Amino acid sequence: EDKVVQSPLSLVVHEGDTVTLNCSYEVTNFRSLLWYKQEKKAPTFLFMLTSSGIEKKSGRLSSILDKKELFSILNITATQTGDSAVYLCAVRTNSGANNLFFGTGTRLTVIP
Amino acid sequence: DAGITQSPRHKVTETGTPVTLRCHQTENHRYMYWYRQDPGHGLRLIHYSYGVKDTDKGEVSDGYSVSRSKTEDFLLTLESATSSQTSVYFCASTGAGALNTEAFFGQGTRLTVV
Repeated sequence: EDKVVQSPLSLVVHEGDTVTLNCSYEVTNFRSLLWYKQEKKAPTFLFMLTSSGIEKKSGRLSSILDKKELFSILNITATQTGDSAVYLCAVRTNSGANNLFFGTGTRLTVIP
Repeated sequence: DAGITQSPRHKVTETGTPVTLRCHQTENHRYMYWYRQDPGHGLRLIHYSYGVKDTDKGEVSDGYSVSRSKTEDFLLTLESATSSQTSVYFCASTGAGALNTEAFFGQGTRLTVV
């Protein structure tokens, strides 16, 4: 059975802190791993990772994939209150219509 | 952002009644998906579609059916709503190159079955 596990489940930090969110997976026919940010509405896309060791970066956010150890991390530096959200990790496989399997998410709260 | 809208945005219905949720996309995306999101479970796939009139079951399909008569519309029907189907429902779509593109999500429908 395909499985995506995120940790921690929730995290509270102060503005300016750096956080690392984890996503591990066990799936058949892995194609890519995606990160989304969800703020009380539709998930919005952050990154898609297909190759090991290649960092994707957007402003203060970055992510990397390790296909040997089957995990990915999402880093956020100099956190701001606007980073408060649920961060979702999803794995795309070859099955179905290239379906996405989601983890339960990490709820990040950034306090001033 | 991709043009993908869901209707209604909120609905309260009684146990045993049929309910249809609509997803409409203007991106000519080939693949469409229905998810439900519940605390502690994340997003779980209900049904998906490869194209017009081509659908299949996801991991939590019991009690749900779908139809796709046009590329732009994907309907989710609860034949006889139950309280366990109280949830937030998200529709998503991806283009023909689904392997290499992200999925775009609608704003969600909050369904309460009383």
